[in-house]
Amino acid sequence: AQSVTQLGSHVSVSEGALVLLRCNYSSSVPPYLFWYVQYPNQGLQLLLKYTTGATLVKGINGFEAEFKKSETSFHLTKPSAHMSDAAEYFCAVSDLGPSGTYKYIFGTGTRLKVLA
Amino acid sequence: DAGVIQSPRHEVTEMGQEVTLRCKPISGHDYLFWYRQTMMRGLELLIYFNNNVPIDDSGMPEDRFSAKMPNASFSTLKIQPSEPRDSAVYFCASSLGGQGSFHTYEQYFGPGTRLTVT
Repeated sequence: AQSVTQLGSHVSVSEGALVLLRCNYSSSVPPYLFWYVQYPNQGLQLLLKYTTGATLVKGINGFEAEFKKSETSFHLTKPSAHMSDAAEYFCAVSDLGPSGTYKYIFGTGTRLKVLA
Repeated sequence: DAGVIQSPRHEVTEMGQEVTLRCKPISGHDYLFWYRQTMMRGLELLIYFNNNVPIDDSGMPEDRFSAKMPNASFSTLKIQPSEPRDSAVYFCASSLGGQGSFHTYEQYFGPGTRLTVT
């Protein structure tokens, strides 16, 4: 069965510091992986996605993520945090479910706090 | 395009009342998803449609919940009767996907409806 694990429900970083949000997945087939961001009182919006090809994926707002098959990970990083990055971040995986239809599974989210 | 539109943005109702949430997906998208978000359970997929046909409703919590998509530009999620434990933010999302390949596409979320059942 496919699943997504986000380590750390809350992460705090100082402004200008590295942002690292962790995501591990389990999948029976090569997965498609996504990171979404949710700002307060808004819906989720896509940051980046991995489908096939290059394992280092660049997204919006300076974020990037690397697909590591051997580690079953898709961690999100940003070299320098900005106050506007404070939000909740969701990792998602789409994979073939037991019924033969695709499922889109979201992780439980990581709330990022940026300290001045 | 205006994006995914949901109404109302906020709904406060009393236990036992019927609640109807509405969604207008992005024009041209052939998949529509309903999600529920709570602090305790996170983001849960309730049901999704492809070309107005329900494909997977295994996430619908009880028979009190029902969803319809009468045409490509409108969907409703109904709760009857509502209970306090239904209090949550309900999101509608839409995506492209052709025939069975929605999983490779981005989902576009609406702003959500915050439901409070007292």
